[in-house]
Amino acid sequence: GENVEQHPSTLSVQEGDSAVIKCTYSDSASNYFPWYKQELGKRPQLIIDIRSNVGEKKDQRIAVTLNKTAKHFSLHITETQPEDSAVYFCAALSGNTPLVFGKGTRLSVIA
Amino acid sequence: DAGVTQSPTHLIKTRGQQVTLRCSPKSGHDTVSWYQQALGQGPQFIFQYYEEEERQRGNFPDRFSGHQFPNYSSELNVNALWLGDSALYLCASSLAGGAGNTQYFGPGTRLTVL
Repeated sequence: GENVEQHPSTLSVQEGDSAVIKCTYSDSASNYFPWYKQELGKRPQLIIDIRSNVGEKKDQRIAVTLNKTAKHFSLHITETQPEDSAVYFCAALSGNTPLVFGKGTRLSVIA
Repeated sequence: DAGVTQSPTHLIKTRGQQVTLRCSPKSGHDTVSWYQQALGQGPQFIFQYYEEEERQRGNFPDRFSGHQFPNYSSELNVNALWLGDSALYLCASSLAGGAGNTQYFGPGTRLTVL
């Protein structure tokens, strides 16, 4: 089955700097890659997703890139703000298979 | 547009007891997936319901069972609770056949087993 590895497990950045979180997946048939943000005690919230027919997608300060050949995808957050502090999860799925999540990255933005 | 809702918010049980958690999907969604999230971990897939049937199942024992009703809402039942079942239980709804099966999560039920 699918296996998703996520790095780093923790990340601290200064406010205004960029943050990058990387994930790799094992199933070459995976075709959908969402990213979720989870604040303490709250639900995971979808912040951006990308499908396998696209190499990059941007939404304001957030972007995701996908390299199908290398089977990895990354989340980029620019101009980080304290409210970006949270745990971020990547995930992957193929067709009707269930979402498989990475173990999460705890991002701390230091003001 | 109602989002995904879950009840109860918190629950405390003792070992050996049984629990039922409930989920109402986002308006217009017909598929419900259940996840277990242990502290400091990513969500782990338990099972998915579509058209009132279990469509897929993760690596969880038979003590975990579920149900989907005609209005697409769903229940998760856990029998013979263990201490290790303490976790945040999340449900996520999606639209079958929707591009990428985008899933939206409910607020979760925090289950504590003593």
